[in-house]
Amino acid sequence: AQSVAQPEDQVNVAEGNPLTVKCTYSVSGNPYLFWYVQYPNRGLQFLLKYITGDNLVKGSYGFEAEFNKSQTSFHLKKPSALVSDSALYFCAVRVNLPGYSSASKIIFGSGTRLSIRP
Amino acid sequence: GAGVSQSPSNKVTEKGKDVELRCDPISGHTALYWYRQSLGQGLEFLIYFQGNSAPDKSGLPSDRFSAERTGGSVSTLTIQRTQQEDSAVYLCATGGRSQGSYEQYFGPGTRLTVT
Repeated sequence: AQSVAQPEDQVNVAEGNPLTVKCTYSVSGNPYLFWYVQYPNRGLQFLLKYITGDNLVKGSYGFEAEFNKSQTSFHLKKPSALVSDSALYFCAVRVNLPGYSSASKIIFGSGTRLSIRP
Repeated sequence: GAGVSQSPSNKVTEKGKDVELRCDPISGHTALYWYRQSLGQGLEFLIYFQGNSAPDKSGLPSDRFSAERTGGSVSTLTIQRTQQEDSAVYLCATGGRSQGSYEQYFGPGTRLTVT
């Protein structure tokens, strides 16, 4: 079955340290991968995506993600964490709908709560 | 331009009543998704529209839930005979393959409370 997994419910990092939020996927064909962030009491916001090209993609707020085909992973990273990065992060993947040549949908991981301590 | 809008922003209803939630997509976006998010939890996929058709209704929890989209634009999610377990934030997201990308743009959500 096509799916996306975020193995960590919570990640705790000290401010100024690098952070990684993990994501693995299982899809047929070439994956289209996304990261979204949800700040407290705010809506979901798009951070970055991988469609094709360079394996390292850069997004909003200094975040980047590395696509690794052999490990079927798309981990979110930031070199130096800020307290304001504390939020709920979702990895997502586009999956094709069976029986449809062009229709697809986006499915989300269960989310990882990132907590940055001062 | 304007983002995805949803109405109402909050809805409190009594158990057993019907509710209707509305989503106004970004103009030109062909894909529209409904999700449900319980407090601090992940996103539960409900239904996906491509234009006015719904290729995937697999996420609708029961036959009390239905959705439609007209004119390739506005969508309504209807919950009949609401139950307390329906309480959640209902999120709408839209996107357009014609935009050359697949990211979704989310509305602010409708917080539904069933008492």
